[in-house]
Amino acid sequence: QVQLVQSGAEVKKPGASVKVSCKASEYSFTAYYIHWVRQAPGQGLEWMGWINPNSGGTKYAEKFQGRVTMTSDTSSNTAYMELRRLRSDDTAVYYCARGLQFFDSAEILQHWGQGTLVTVSS
Amino acid sequence: EIVLTQSPGTLSLSPGERATLSCRASQSVSNNYLAWYQQKLGQAPRLLIYGASNRATAIPDRFSGSGSGTDFTLTISRLEPDDFAVYYCQQYGSSPTFGQGTKLEIK
Repeated sequence: QVQLVQSGAEVKKPGASVKVSCKASEYSFTAYYIHWVRQAPGQGLEWMGWINPNSGGTKYAEKFQGRVTMTSDTSSNTAYMELRRLRSDDTAVYYCARGLQFFDSAEILQHWGQGTLVTVSS
Repeated sequence: EIVLTQSPGTLSLSPGERATLSCRASQSVSNNYLAWYQQKLGQAPRLLIYGASNRATAIPDRFSGSGSGTDFTLTISRLEPDDFAVYYCQQYGSSPTFGQGTKLEIK
């Protein structure tokens, strides 16, 4: 079955950067968009953007423009999300998720990674 | 940005009862691009419904979605113990946004 396995928890200082990985398996990696969603402790869900692993094309939520970069490596079927200039309110669980329909950017999030906790603290 | 408001914030029901969860959008959701997710504590969300009324793969038929425009509903016809969780609606007709969630708890 489809699997998305994310990298482990991170602790960062304010102003630093974090890069979270998401390794996909059991499906054609280049056929489906990968989305990133975050969830602050005890809070709701927030969509951050997507990457098309086939083309490398990206779309970011306006809130994260200039601070986030999403990339992918088709040789290892891995997607990455880098967030820069971290603040304390970036403390959250970061999820990668695969879109429902192949070659479609629609943000219907069918398969999810297990989440990566990023803690920003001085 | 489309703001989604879910109600109620918490819903207390017993197994076997019917649950009705509401999601209201601040403006019309294009093409009824509205999804519902279930999230249990410490787990990733699970897709239940997309396109307002289409059940995702392997979702039991006791879950149903309805609505259009700005008003959407998730109905769970007969609650099972495994259904008690937090439910989020999400619109993807424009830059995606989520509702704040409805907690479904055992009465």
